Amino acid sequence: DAKTTQPTSMDCAEGRAANLPCNHSTISGNEYVYWYRQIHSQGPQYIIHGLKNNETNEMASLIITEDRKSSTLILPHATLRDTAVYYCIVRVGAGGTSYGKLTFGQGTILTVHP
Amino acid sequence: DTEVTQTPKHLVMGMTNKKSLKCEQHMGHRAMYWYKQKAKKPPELMFVYSYEKLSINESVPSRFSPECPNSSLLNLHLHALQPEDSALYLCASSPGLAGGVAKNIQYFGAGTRLSVL
Repeated sequence: DAKTTQPTSMDCAEGRAANLPCNHSTISGNEYVYWYRQIHSQGPQYIIHGLKNNETNEMASLIITEDRKSSTLILPHATLRDTAVYYCIVRVGAGGTSYGKLTFGQGTILTVHP
Repeated sequence: DTEVTQTPKHLVMGMTNKKSLKCEQHMGHRAMYWYKQKAKKPPELMFVYSYEKLSINESVPSRFSPECPNSSLLNLHLHALQPEDSALYLCASSPGLAGGVAKNIQYFGAGTRLSVL
């Protein structure tokens, strides 16, 4: 699976949009971008995933650049409860011997301030 | 219901003890996972089960023994652990391993915090 690079930490004011970047310059054509987050003392939580089109769900939006080498997770109106470690993971969608593996990087610690 | 339940929440054991961690899901998922997470580090995959068969073993020491007695249950049997095995052990499940991207979205439990003395 492709390696990802994320900033170590970011801050955001409550009510503002949080934009979390992720670089994945070695992504392959059959690899998807997944985002998970882990709130303190909880297990990771799936947020969103995408291949090449922008995606939106009730939690967040995912913007993937046209060359697919980077992406941005957007939390449109951050709340204090969004304070967490956010993981960007790139992996194949199906098949292959590594299918089933989620390889977590170091992630971005997002702190939302009042 | 997207809940994965892990018991116990906390476990303290000596190096000569035998204990088991339990994970349960009732979402009809056919893939289940064990991860290990050390403090301030990301989770690391240990085992993957697909249709109750071991699919991936990430070269985990034999003192960790997984078991999947049925599609809803996943156990991790612990024996002769070392203090460095102290960590948060996370269980996850997904609908399956094949058949589409969405089927591999993983749902995690809250974990068992293990301390080995």
